[in-house]
Amino acid sequence: QVQLQESGPGPVKPSETLSLTCAVSGYSISSGYYWGWIRQPPGKGLEWIGSIYHSGSTYYNPSLKSRVTISVDTSKNQFSLKLSSVTAADTAVYYCARAFRYCTGGSCYPAAFDIWGQGTMVTVSS
Amino acid sequence: QSALTQPASVSGSPGQSITISCTGTSSDVGGYNLVSWYQQHPGKAPKLMIYEVSKRPSGVSNRFSGSKSGNTASLTISGLQADDEADYYCCSFAGSSTSVVFGGGTKLTVL
Repeated sequence: QVQLQESGPGPVKPSETLSLTCAVSGYSISSGYYWGWIRQPPGKGLEWIGSIYHSGSTYYNPSLKSRVTISVDTSKNQFSLKLSSVTAADTAVYYCARAFRYCTGGSCYPAAFDIWGQGTMVTVSS
Repeated sequence: QSALTQPASVSGSPGQSITISCTGTSSDVGGYNLVSWYQQHPGKAPKLMIYEVSKRPSGVSNRFSGSKSGNTASLTISGLQADDEADYYCCSFAGSSTSVVFGGGTKLTVL
């Protein structure tokens, strides 16, 4: 059974960097699929942050691209999110998820998200 | 503002059918057969219900079905049950530069 579990240090102060890790169990992160992050501000909808393949290939939401870094550690079977210069607007539940891989024209991209972590609430506050 | 447009709310009585629409553009919904739908109960993680417009993952009831016409995708739930009451989100691949976009979500109320 594939399971994803987010973890992080807790509250973050404005202007600091938010760091989260997603541990994957029951499936090798190197076996295919994209792995990504999606967030949900309180009372609002879902927003895709970005996704990564085990090779290190990444795709980011254009609106967050300048502040986001997603990395993968295949030896630990986990991937991570860093979001810099956070503000109160970055307060949200952050989910990690596995995504189907869609390939076209010689390139591959993340598509539907089939397995999700339980989510972790991150509050940005001074 | 979300990239894909969904109605804020829909409602139906037990046993009835409802349809939730998801309108995008030719750069996302209309351009690829990569629309997916998610069900989210309060305080829970989203659950994949439909992928590639109309495919159901293993374990998802056949009461849930998806379709697409032009730039609009639809999720239909037949034989409404109380447990179907949840928020529903559509999602689409949107090309190499944008990759993934979500709809704003629709709250389904089972009367």
